Amino acid sequence: AQSVTQPDIHITVSEGASLELRCNYSYGATPYLFWYVQSPGQGLQLLLKYFSGDTLVQGIKGFEAEFKRSQSSFNLRKPSVHWSDAAEYFCAVGLMEYGNKLVFGAGTILRVKS
Amino acid sequence: GAGVSQSPRYKVAKRGQDVALRCDPISGHVSLFWYQQALGQGPEFLTYFQNEAQLDKSGLPSDRFFAERPEGSVSTLKIQRTQQEDSAVYLCASSLPGIPNNEQFFGPGTRLTVL
Repeated sequence: AQSVTQPDIHITVSEGASLELRCNYSYGATPYLFWYVQSPGQGLQLLLKYFSGDTLVQGIKGFEAEFKRSQSSFNLRKPSVHWSDAAEYFCAVGLMEYGNKLVFGAGTILRVKS
Repeated sequence: GAGVSQSPRYKVAKRGQDVALRCDPISGHVSLFWYQQALGQGPEFLTYFQNEAQLDKSGLPSDRFFAERPEGSVSTLKIQRTQQEDSAVYLCASSLPGIPNNEQFFGPGTRLTVL
């Protein structure tokens, strides 16, 4: 069955430090992968997506992610975190044969300390 | 409006009551999805519409859950005889069809609390 694992429930980083959020997926076909961010009381906002082509994808707010098929991973990175990045981050795989319904991981809560 | 809207934003129901949650997708978006997000969890798929056709309802947890989109635009998720385990945030998303333009745009959600 399709699944997404985000191993880290909480991560705390200092403002200005680099960030990497881990995501592993289980899916039999070519995956379509997404990272969303959710601030308290807000809906989900798409940070970036991978469909095909270059395995390093750039997103909004200075985020990037790298698709590694051999590791079934799609880790999210940012070179320098800002206090406003504190939020919950969700990795998801899109199931194209089902109209692109999304299977989400459990999320990683990012805390930024000044 | 420019985005997906949902109403009400908050709903408190007594156990056993029926509730109806509304989603207004982005104009022209053919696809519409409902997700359920329990506290501390990621969203979980409930059901999917393409225009007025409900193509996938495999995620609906019981026959107390019912969704409709009669004119292919606004959608309503109805929960009958609510139970405490139904307490969650219900998210609606809409998208255009086709790849790779089918990014799902999410609404702010309806937080349902069943007492």
